[in-house]
Amino acid sequence: DGGITQSPKYLFRKEGQNVTLSCEQNLNHDAMYWYRQDPGQGLRLIYYSQIVNDFQKGDIAEGYSVSREKKESFPLTVTSAQKNPTAFYLCASSSEVTGANVLTFGAGSRLTVL
Amino acid sequence: GEDVEQSLFLSVREGDSSVINCTYTDSSSTYLYWYKQEPGAGLQLLTYIFSNMDMKQDQRLTVLLNKKDKHLSLRIADTQTGDSAIYFCAGAKYKLIFGSGTRLLVRP
Repeated sequence: DGGITQSPKYLFRKEGQNVTLSCEQNLNHDAMYWYRQDPGQGLRLIYYSQIVNDFQKGDIAEGYSVSREKKESFPLTVTSAQKNPTAFYLCASSSEVTGANVLTFGAGSRLTVL
Repeated sequence: GEDVEQSLFLSVREGDSSVINCTYTDSSSTYLYWYKQEPGAGLQLLTYIFSNMDMKQDQRLTVLLNKKDKHLSLRIADTQTGDSAIYFCAGAKYKLIFGSGTRLLVRP
């Protein structure tokens, strides 16, 4: 079955450490996204990529970095520069369905900074 | 820029209808979407509506769009306990903007 796989599901990090969250899709989607979700808030866009080897900053890119070397993969690195990294991170990919940009989400990765 | 607002919480009895409301600011949104999130999981698309439509029905789900008031609603008929989740509306012209989500609690 096609879908998006995020790993790890839970991750604990000490302050000052970088961590990388994995996102892999086998849906053959061109576009991929990273969102951050905090309690009681909507999803906020961190980075997105519409094509391999190209990506753009979203609304809250500071303290994060991404790469898009393969169509299937869009890893997110949470750097030590991110002041408040504890959150639920969601990866998504998209295809156009009759003009609508329909997103398919992974199950999420919960990052806790100790 | 686009802003999307939702009420935070709704509680209904099993078998009743649920109506989740959403307002948005950017009238140029081409499509408007409803997503569902179960605890500890990602979001799944429920339905979407093109901005030139007033209504869309899909089994137990009815979406109503009032463009003049920039108001979107999702009605769930015969609400079941399995419908308990967080529901997000989202609007998009170039990129999706999500509301903060409405937590639906279905009481037996």
